[in-house]
Amino acid sequence: EAGVTQFPSHSVIEKGQTVTLRCDPISGHDNLYWYRRVMGKEIKFLLHFVKESKQDESGMPNNRFLAERTGGTYSTLKVQPAELEDSGVYFCASSQGNYRGPLGNTIYFGEGSWLTVV
Amino acid sequence: GEDVEQSLFLSVREGDSSVINCTYTDSSSTYLYWYKQEPGAGLQLLTYIFSNMDMKQDQRLTVLLNKKDKHLSLRIADTQTGDSAIYFCAETHISSGSARQLTFGSGTQLTVLP
Repeated sequence: EAGVTQFPSHSVIEKGQTVTLRCDPISGHDNLYWYRRVMGKEIKFLLHFVKESKQDESGMPNNRFLAERTGGTYSTLKVQPAELEDSGVYFCASSQGNYRGPLGNTIYFGEGSWLTVV
Repeated sequence: GEDVEQSLFLSVREGDSSVINCTYTDSSSTYLYWYKQEPGAGLQLLTYIFSNMDMKQDQRLTVLLNKKDKHLSLRIADTQTGDSAIYFCAETHISSGSARQLTFGSGTQLTVLP
């Protein structure tokens, strides 16, 4: 079974440009999450989708960030315009969501999209 | 508020045991996890412990939970060079039958010396 896949794996863009990150969750996982780790700090929650609906977007830093999950399958995270402080690793994760114990609710992560804004 | 703290660095000799510590503040945490991130790779789930457990052992890994002190530790026995990575402690709550967001610590960089 394929895991959570993210694209691109690495991206270098100039300040002011736009970048769109894509995430394909594990098949059948209704829950999709975006997290990021900037400047070697802790990994911070950005938002949580349940199917196509935004369940919690309290971690989105500002309105330069837009996340979508049309059709409840893959998700995109757009940063427009990108700033220097947006550099970091953006992780996508997914989980089943039906309570079947810890592994049923375990959140599985992708390998991350490494963004560098110069 | 929720806060998870870890020491930033740990160095051990190959073959020794490593102990990575984590403290958390939210007493309503349901599950506590340890994730591993190798250089250039994503987050790999290592192990988890339910908040009503004190200890969990999984091969070379032992997780100890002191709920009173809100202290979690990960012990790696017979540490190998391949264990060099960043280890993240994380906690979450289970509410309404579904997982919610994880709160992570800043990660502990484990360096295994030959």
